[in-house]
Amino acid sequence: DIQMTQSPSSLSASIGDRVTITCRASQDISNYLNWYQQKPGKAPNLLIYVASSLQSGVPSRFSGSGSGTEFTLTISSLQPEDFATYYCQQSHSTPLTFGGGTKVDIK
Amino acid sequence: QVQLVQSGAEVKKPGASVKVSCKALGYTITPYYIHWVRQAPGQGLEWMGIINPSGGATDYAQKFQGRVTMTRDTSTSTVYMDLSSLRSEDTAVYYCARIKTGTTHFDYWGQGTLVTVSS
Repeated sequence: DIQMTQSPSSLSASIGDRVTITCRASQDISNYLNWYQQKPGKAPNLLIYVASSLQSGVPSRFSGSGSGTEFTLTISSLQPEDFATYYCQQSHSTPLTFGGGTKVDIK
Repeated sequence: QVQLVQSGAEVKKPGASVKVSCKALGYTITPYYIHWVRQAPGQGLEWMGIINPSGGATDYAQKFQGRVTMTRDTSTSTVYMDLSSLRSEDTAVYYCARIKTGTTHFDYWGQGTLVTVSS
């Protein structure tokens, strides 16, 4: 199974901050990497697919990069509605696996 | 509009089985694989398996082999996930989510179904 490791597991940030979350895969997954945002009591919501493609309707302050084993999700200017937990997920092979999550809260 | 509508919360005793449904609305079910993902309280996301509504082929995570069965009813655009021999560690929110054939990301999720296993 492909292990996905996210860092940090949590972070505190202020409105307007630039935030970067890292996801590492235990083996080469090319660009088969997706990012989701989850708010309490809600299902995850797709932000970025195939490492760097922005899902329709998602604000352009979200961006993704990387390939192979190292990936990043960047929020260029944190907004109040961005406080949530973020997950990476590999779709290279089954079993599909998720990172442990990064909780972003208010400093 | 596209929706995946799941059945309601369940409370089960250890050793029992639970069947969760996921009804697809607003689109034709067959070009989209349906996956099941669960989330224990305060924990991360765990993939359970996939069903291809066109033909019914399945692929389950090894952890759930022998305990999980995924089926579909194309006449009602509904997919089912049956989990047996429940234990307290199966207490979680269970989500269905779809991936379009030829793509690799979950674009729509159900609202989640809380399954509580308690004696």
